[in-house]
Amino acid sequence: GEDVEQSLFLSVREGDSSVINCTYTDSSSTYLYWYKQEPGAGLQLLTYIFSNMDMKQDQRLTVLLNKKDKHLSLRIADTQTGDSAIYFCADLSSNTGKLIFGQGTTLQVKP
Amino acid sequence: EAGVTQFPSHSVIEKGQTVTLRCDPISGHDNLYWYRRVMGKEIKFLLHFVKESKQDESGMPNNRFLAERTGGTYSTLKVQPAELEDSGVYFCASSQARASGANVLTFGAGSRLTVL
Repeated sequence: GEDVEQSLFLSVREGDSSVINCTYTDSSSTYLYWYKQEPGAGLQLLTYIFSNMDMKQDQRLTVLLNKKDKHLSLRIADTQTGDSAIYFCADLSSNTGKLIFGQGTTLQVKP
Repeated sequence: EAGVTQFPSHSVIEKGQTVTLRCDPISGHDNLYWYRRVMGKEIKFLLHFVKESKQDESGMPNNRFLAERTGGTYSTLKVQPAELEDSGVYFCASSQARASGANVLTFGAGSRLTVL
């Protein structure tokens, strides 16, 4: 079945860039998403990218998609302490119509 | 616009008891989903309603779980009897009906279930 993998933890210093990586197995992926979960809160959609695109930029966020390698990354420029959260990568499969999530990457931002 | 609302935010019950989780989707959203995250693992799909009909319930773990969406508005997820492995955070999400394109789900804050 479809699978999405992420590293579990990333620690950066405030002001640095963060890069969170994700790999997926679904060959029929249509859209890929990044969600953010802050403590005690729900999943907040950050951005998504159509599978035919290779890059999308939105203010401090840059999404890179390598469809050949099935690799997705989220770069956060000038990371702030308020960016500390769990980041989930998700794949929308055209086969099943379901969102398949990874385990989430905990981003720790040190002052 | 009000977001997706879930209740309760946290429930602690003993093994063998029953718990009912409720989700109020965004008004006008035909699609309603239930997902679950067991401690530290990935968020897993449970089921999908389109209006009041179950479109896909392939992720429901077993017959101790029962989801309903009466009248196509709010939904409930009942666990009866609860087991220890049912502990986790249950997320509800909703989205508008669309024939194609990105299916943007709006999630609720989740209901944390702890089974002792």
